[in-house]
Amino acid sequence: AQSVTQLDSHVSVSEGTPVLLRCNYSSSYSPSLFWYVQHPNKGLQLLLKYTSAATLVKGINGFEAEFKKSETSFHLTKPSAHMSDAAEYFCVVSRLRTGANNLFFGTGTRLTVIP
Amino acid sequence: IAGITQAPTSQILAAGRRMTLRCTQDMRHNAMYWYRQDLGLGLRLIHYSNTAGTTGKGEVPDGYSVSRANTDDFPLTLASAVPSQTSVYFCASSETSGFGELFFGEGSRLTVL
Repeated sequence: AQSVTQLDSHVSVSEGTPVLLRCNYSSSYSPSLFWYVQHPNKGLQLLLKYTSAATLVKGINGFEAEFKKSETSFHLTKPSAHMSDAAEYFCVVSRLRTGANNLFFGTGTRLTVIP
Repeated sequence: IAGITQAPTSQILAAGRRMTLRCTQDMRHNAMYWYRQDLGLGLRLIHYSNTAGTTGKGEVPDGYSVSRANTDDFPLTLASAVPSQTSVYFCASSETSGFGELFFGEGSRLTVL
């Protein structure tokens, strides 16, 4: 079975400080993993994705994530938070089943950036 | 660049009424999806379509139906709305039904009273 757990429902950081959003997954095979961002009243936008290439994945807006198989983690980081980073972030694991496509979404982490 | 267009953006509906949420994409993507987003539950897949003419059930399909008559359009119908269907609905598409990036619309907020 595949599932994803976002360990924090809400993270608050000061502007200019590092961001860490935690995600753990379970999968019966090597998964594809994604981070999406959702700004208020908007749809989701892909930040980055891991598909069994390099374990350190760089995304848009300075975000990156590292796939750690031994820890079953795919945490999202950014060295320095900006006010515009305030949003909801979703960790997603893929499941491929014959005749179907399905992505499992975490419950989301709301990032607040304090000026 | 439009991408995914959803309509209406917001709707209040009496229980028992029929409602169709519209979704149109201009990217010629093969696969399309409907998700609902509820606080604390993330996004859950309602129905999907891997290609025009085919549809499949997702995680929470009960009370919803879809059709995919052509590549661009993927309407979601609530035959008889109930209050538990109050949610924000997102339509999405991907080039193929594999591991590609999902492109999302801006959502349709539905309230069923």
